[in-house]
Amino acid sequence: DSGVTQTPKHLITATGQRVTLRCSPRSGDLSVYWYQQSLDQGLQFLIQYYNGEERAKGNILERFSAQQFPDLHSELNLSSLELGDSALYFCASSVEEGVASVYTGELFFGEGSRLTVL
Amino acid sequence: DQQVKQNSPSLSVQEGRISILNCDYTNSMFDYFLWYKKYPAEGPTFLISISSIKDKNEDGRFTVFLNKSAKHLSLHIVPSQPGDSAVYFCAASGTSYDKVIFGPGTSLSVIP
Repeated sequence: DSGVTQTPKHLITATGQRVTLRCSPRSGDLSVYWYQQSLDQGLQFLIQYYNGEERAKGNILERFSAQQFPDLHSELNLSSLELGDSALYFCASSVEEGVASVYTGELFFGEGSRLTVL
Repeated sequence: DQQVKQNSPSLSVQEGRISILNCDYTNSMFDYFLWYKKYPAEGPTFLISISSIKDKNEDGRFTVFLNKSAKHLSLHIVPSQPGDSAVYFCAASGTSYDKVIFGPGTSLSVIP
């Protein structure tokens, strides 16, 4: 158990719809990352938040958005869904900034949310 | 633009032998390199990492080698065990809690 919780685990929806994926990071972790893994693809970085603020952006579509709340949980919103958005969406968290002596780049991943768009 | 590359999609190794997984990167600003293991239906889990100031890091059966001049790193698993069968992702990040970039992964099968 990584300590990162993602809900829902599975989600089936139709094209054009909107869904929200939720992530609770490990206790004490201020950074949250979102990754997308499509069929036979690697982990594509979407976006990173640190303590409520956007830190880095990857190949995130304009139809997708995310935020991190004061309690540090994060939500990934996917709208106007297309068939190609079907994928596993992973959330990860990492040790807080400032603890440079223990920084290894290690991320702790949740089990993922599997989105199927029909 | 793929900054972290794993050119072998799959690898099969006999149990007890050495598994060598390779990774190349293009961004010389990367400071940390990591290997993650992923089983089906689970999230990736951290395996081992190496800082750019080192050329080798060892943890039990797992050793990571870094060749900065070649922008290449490798993961050695000795001896390989059937439970090591998984997808292995190489990843890299910068110094300041930057985004962690993953390679496409290599699927390792250890044959009993």
